[in-house]
Amino acid sequence: GENVEQHPSTLSVQEGDSAVIKCTYSDSASNYFPWYKQELGKRPQLIIDIRSNVGEKKDQRIAVTLNKTAKHFSLHITETQPEDSAVYFCAGHSNSGYALNFGKGTSLLVTP
Amino acid sequence: DVKVTQSSRYLVKRTGEKVFLECVQDMDHENMFWYRQDPGLGLRLIYFSYDVKMKEKGDIPEGYSVSREKKERFSLILESASTNQTSMYLCASSGANSPLHFGNGTRLTVT
Repeated sequence: GENVEQHPSTLSVQEGDSAVIKCTYSDSASNYFPWYKQELGKRPQLIIDIRSNVGEKKDQRIAVTLNKTAKHFSLHITETQPEDSAVYFCAGHSNSGYALNFGKGTSLLVTP
Repeated sequence: DVKVTQSSRYLVKRTGEKVFLECVQDMDHENMFWYRQDPGLGLRLIYFSYDVKMKEKGDIPEGYSVSREKKERFSLILESASTNQTSMYLCASSGANSPLHFGNGTRLTVT
């Protein structure tokens, strides 16, 4: 199936700084790339997604960019706040088109 | 609001026991999934189903089976639980126009 690589595995930033998490994928036919946020002890929840016909998408302080040629996409969080601290997962479609394959996650810590 | 409900939050079983993890969704979603979450390994797909009575293996199906007799319910079965199946299990569902939604997870410990 789709192979999704995610970097870095941990990221520590000061409150107010920006955070960037990057993912690469292997299947050039993949066309949907969501990002999930998982707070401690809670379920992963969708925060933003992008389809392959779009290069960038923004929602307040978060944005996702997609480079289809290079097969990578990134999550950008600006003006980080302590409540942004969580594990973030990127994902892409598998060959079946039904199931998502996830990266291994990035643990983001925002320190006051 | 989509609701994916997993019947147990915590479960402790003995090695060799048959274990059933139940999941129900209330949004009439066609697709249902079972993922396993382990530290450093992320979310790994065990099995998924895109229709009643249909099932497809994911990346790590060994030691597991599934059952989908009704559209809203997707069960994960450990035929003979082993200690290496101690993990967090996450059920999820999605529809044609609805993204993937997760349940709260079942933390299974096999002793």
